[in-house]
Amino acid sequence: DAGVIQSPRHEVTEMGQEVTLRCKPISGHDYLFWYRQTMMRGLELLIYFNNNVPIDDSGMPEDRFSAKMPNASFSTLKIQPSEPRDSAVYFCASSPGQGGTEAFFGQGTRLTVV
Amino acid sequence: QQQVKQSPQSLIVQKGGISIINCAYENTAFDYFPWYQQFPGKGPALLIAIRPDVSEKKEGRFTISFNKSAKQFSLHIMDSQPGDSATYFCAASKGSARQLTFGSGTQLTVLP
Repeated sequence: DAGVIQSPRHEVTEMGQEVTLRCKPISGHDYLFWYRQTMMRGLELLIYFNNNVPIDDSGMPEDRFSAKMPNASFSTLKIQPSEPRDSAVYFCASSPGQGGTEAFFGQGTRLTVV
Repeated sequence: QQQVKQSPQSLIVQKGGISIINCAYENTAFDYFPWYQQFPGKGPALLIAIRPDVSEKKEGRFTISFNKSAKQFSLHIMDSQPGDSATYFCAASKGSARQLTFGSGTQLTVLP
């Protein structure tokens, strides 16, 4: 397995534009997480899914952020409209449902909003 | 409220030395405590993890020490190597929920 795959690796966009980040979890994993990493706030959980259903979105900072998981192999995190303070590295991670608690992280998407 | 506090923020160790990173947690419901290692430009990767029913877990040069009464746990890296230079995060989670609460991270530099 290639691991958790995120795209794009880097995204530069102008303030006010819509941004969509994509994630393909490891096949067979039941849990999918979106984390954001910044110097000021460290690694913080935004939302997570179990079997494609959003379980906890309390970490989503504002209504400008939304996440979907239409099927077991794909998830998106959308920011609309984007703001400079959204600049961060966004990580997707997946975790197996049974017999394992390890979260496997993707390589992240570095988002810069100018 | 920061639920997992990590120290130090940065650490410089000579090759062959011992690196020690400490974490303290507040929520007594936490029952899984992993350490993640992150290299620049990469995502965090699990290094070692412990549950509170044991006080110590060792994997190669890496050891977690766990003190349930003090709500503290630490990572010890023995015989530190330049290749260990990375950012280390402690984390915690509880029950069937899988979401991780991370510490603020420690940037470790091992000098050759």
